[in-house]
Amino acid sequence: DAKTTQPPSMDCAEGRAANLPCNHSTISGNEYVYWYRQIHSQGPQYIIHGLKNNETNEMASLIITEDRKSSTLILPHATLRDTAVYYCIVRSYDQGAQKLVFGQGTRLTINP
Amino acid sequence: DAGVIQSPRHEVTEMGQEVTLRCKPISGHNSLFWYRQTMMRGLELLIYFNNNVPIDDSGMPEDRFSAKMPNASFSTLKIQPSEPRDSAVYFCASSLGTGVGTQYFGPGTRLLVL
Repeated sequence: DAKTTQPPSMDCAEGRAANLPCNHSTISGNEYVYWYRQIHSQGPQYIIHGLKNNETNEMASLIITEDRKSSTLILPHATLRDTAVYYCIVRSYDQGAQKLVFGQGTRLTINP
Repeated sequence: DAGVIQSPRHEVTEMGQEVTLRCKPISGHNSLFWYRQTMMRGLELLIYFNNNVPIDDSGMPEDRFSAKMPNASFSTLKIQPSEPRDSAVYFCASSLGTGVGTQYFGPGTRLLVL
């Protein structure tokens, strides 16, 4: 699976949009971009995933660049409960390729 | 709906003792994963099962670790004998299907080996 690069930490004011970047310059054509987050002392939580089109759900939006070498997770109106470590992961769409390789992620702090 | 259930939530044991961690996946999910998380190594996949069959156990640290899935609704991760370096949070996750899918994590078991 392609390696991802994320900033180790970010801050965002409550109520503002939080934009979390991820670089995955070696991503291949069949690899999806997944985002998970881990709130302190809890298990990781799935947020969103995409292949090449932008995606939106009730939690967040995922913007993938046209060349697919980077993506941005957007939390449109961040709240204090969004403080967590956010993981960007790429993995292939192959049967049996179930591994999610978690890196160090971005520690997002939402400030009041 | 109940999520992934893990027990115990906390375990404190002495070096050399056997430790058994338990997991009940979400009903209907046919893939199950065991992860370990430490400050030093982050979140690591230990083993995963599909339809109760171990598919990849390359992450299992050594022979002291073993995992079983006797049926679709139950899995165990056993450490025997336990060592202080096994202290970590152990997560179980499950997912639906064998291809792309989201994984749903349990609350974890915090293990401390003295």
